[in-house]
Amino acid sequence: GPKVLQIPSHQIIDMGQMVTLNCDPVSNHLYFYWYKQILGQQMEFLVNFYNGKVMEKSKLFKDQFSVERPDGSYFTLKIQPTALEDSAVYFCASSPPGQSGNTLYFGEGSRLIVV
Amino acid sequence: GDQVEQSPSALSLHEGTGSALRCNFTTTMRAVQWFRKNSRGSLINLFYLASGTKENGRLKSAFDSKERYSTLHIRDAQLEDSGTYFCAAGRQGGRALIFGTGTTVSVSP
Repeated sequence: GPKVLQIPSHQIIDMGQMVTLNCDPVSNHLYFYWYKQILGQQMEFLVNFYNGKVMEKSKLFKDQFSVERPDGSYFTLKIQPTALEDSAVYFCASSPPGQSGNTLYFGEGSRLIVV
Repeated sequence: GDQVEQSPSALSLHEGTGSALRCNFTTTMRAVQWFRKNSRGSLINLFYLASGTKENGRLKSAFDSKERYSTLHIRDAQLEDSGTYFCAAGRQGGRALIFGTGTTVSVSP
């Protein structure tokens, strides 16, 4: 089936540094998402992105977070600066246009550890 | 805030038997999606429903927006059905999904 690829699969970073998580969505998809899952907790919505703009974001999407998809390349989540509480697995998802557009396809996650 | 309550948290089945997972919603949702997490941690799509029922092999799902619930039925369980199943529902007017807490299904011989 359609695959969403995420790079890196895991990263350890010092608190205060910047990190960029990369997502290669399914090729014909137009909607992109980031979700965050802290160990032992539910997956939680961060943001969705369409046509170059943030469409929705949750209260978890702090000012230190930003997303972009320059020139149709990777869809990225940047955290600058990172904090200890940003340690989590970040899942990217994408969905196609149209009535079936709400069907989300998820990547395998990027595990971020902030130390 | 809006909640998705998933039950049971764990389910043990013998091969060949069946059972149901359920998600209740605290508000009216426009659609539900069911996933199974595989051994690599990926979420595998099982169903997307905006209403009614869908069936795929030994799995069947139903969604009732008005009554605020969705179910996933497993029949004739096989060992490979073991895993963690999640429902996720979308509110009206948005695309964000609210996830349930998951049901860990263990199928034994």
